[in-house]
Amino acid sequence: DTGVSQDPRHKITKRGQNVTFRCDPISEHNRLYWYRQTLGQGPEFLTYFQNEAQLEKSRLLSDRFSAERPKGSFSTLEIQRTEQGDSAMYLCASSAQGAYNQPQHFGDGTRLSIL
Amino acid sequence: DAKTTQPNSMESNEEEPVHLPCNHSTISGTDYIHWYRQLPSQGPEYVIHGLTSNVNNRMASLAIAEDRKSSTLILHRATLRDAAVYYCILRTLYNFNKFYFGSGTKLNVKP
Repeated sequence: DTGVSQDPRHKITKRGQNVTFRCDPISEHNRLYWYRQTLGQGPEFLTYFQNEAQLEKSRLLSDRFSAERPKGSFSTLEIQRTEQGDSAMYLCASSAQGAYNQPQHFGDGTRLSIL
Repeated sequence: DAKTTQPNSMESNEEEPVHLPCNHSTISGTDYIHWYRQLPSQGPEYVIHGLTSNVNNRMASLAIAEDRKSSTLILHRATLRDAAVYYCILRTLYNFNKFYFGSGTKLNVKP
């Protein structure tokens, strides 16, 4: 079990630039989640995939945000025209198919800083 | 979102037991109680979960009140590595893929 992997761990960019983050879930997990966490707060749900299908999106996910999971394996989260308020930790998690009490396994996140 | 209430912070001495409380008065019959913790600069880590009965694993124990409106995460012997933010989360049947974390309890462990 290699765990959930996220890349990069840190990203610094100028306001207005586009950024893309990658998440590699645990290999046998078909469910994948993205969260955003700002300083001092708990993670906030952004979106959820089952295999390649994006089944739920939070209202936090504005039209500048897009997430994909093209082959049901890794996922990418892209933010276009970044704003100061996008500075946060972006966390990815995965879980196995099964009962609704399956735990989610988290990566260590990508910290985004907007200059 | 199903809500939980936790103290903002708690303090413990190393090698002593720690009881972290969580109130969830609006819990429904099919809601699972999950606990996660987040160490500094890391993603959340699953700790334990339960439905009605008390649960034990290698990390902790979960004690669930008979009316299920509250629960307590028990760390039997706190170590410095247990210093983290602990989140109590309700996993609902109708919205089970969407976790609501809240602000959690920041646990400080004194040597």
